[in-house]
Amino acid sequence: EVQVVESGGGLVQPGGSLRLSCAASGFSISTYYMHWVRQAPGKGLMWVSRINFDGSNTRYADSVKGRFTISRDNAKNTLYLQMNSLRVEDTAIYYCVCMGTSPPSWGQGTLVTVSS
Amino acid sequence: DIVMTQSPESLTVSLGERATINCKSSQSVLSSSNNKNSLAWYQQKPGQPPKVLIYWASTRESGVPDRFSGSGSGTDFTLTISSLQAEDVAVYYCQQYYDVPLTFGGGTKVEIK
Repeated sequence: EVQVVESGGGLVQPGGSLRLSCAASGFSISTYYMHWVRQAPGKGLMWVSRINFDGSNTRYADSVKGRFTISRDNAKNTLYLQMNSLRVEDTAIYYCVCMGTSPPSWGQGTLVTVSS
Repeated sequence: DIVMTQSPESLTVSLGERATINCKSSQSVLSSSNNKNSLAWYQQKPGQPPKVLIYWASTRESGVPDRFSGSGSGTDFTLTISSLQAEDVAVYYCQQYYDVPLTFGGGTKVEIK
């Protein structure tokens, strides 16, 4: 069964850091681009970042550029999102997404709360 | 960026009646490499992650009831629920995955009349 499972969310103060992980099973992430998508409380879905097959090419939403870093460990079949200088407005559920599988794979999400 | 415009924002339909949600992209999402439209539809219920209903614009995900169907090509797409059931109350989103950034429609809230 194709599955992705996010972890690493939690409560952090503004200016703090968190590292999210996404463990994939049932498929090898090495053959797919991977994404992070987030959803703020009561809001819609917003793309955050994308990484290519080997991690050599990454893209970010303007709102997180310079603060977030996406990476991957294909040997561990795991995707990461390092989040630094967190802001209150980064509070959201973060989803790991693979659009290349059929059907696309979404995890259950991990909640990040930025608050003092 | 490809802008996804979804309508209506909310929809109230009687049980057993048809519900239609529209989604328009600011540019074509038809891929020349596979002749498929990179368009997905999701259903999201409170407290749950988005659930894939339709991908490649018209391919129904396994296990999704056949009352859900997707149609359209290029820039104009439709999600149809042929006979609304109580369990279909949710917010529905369209999404393009033709290009980065992935972009989403604003959502349509479907309720029972």
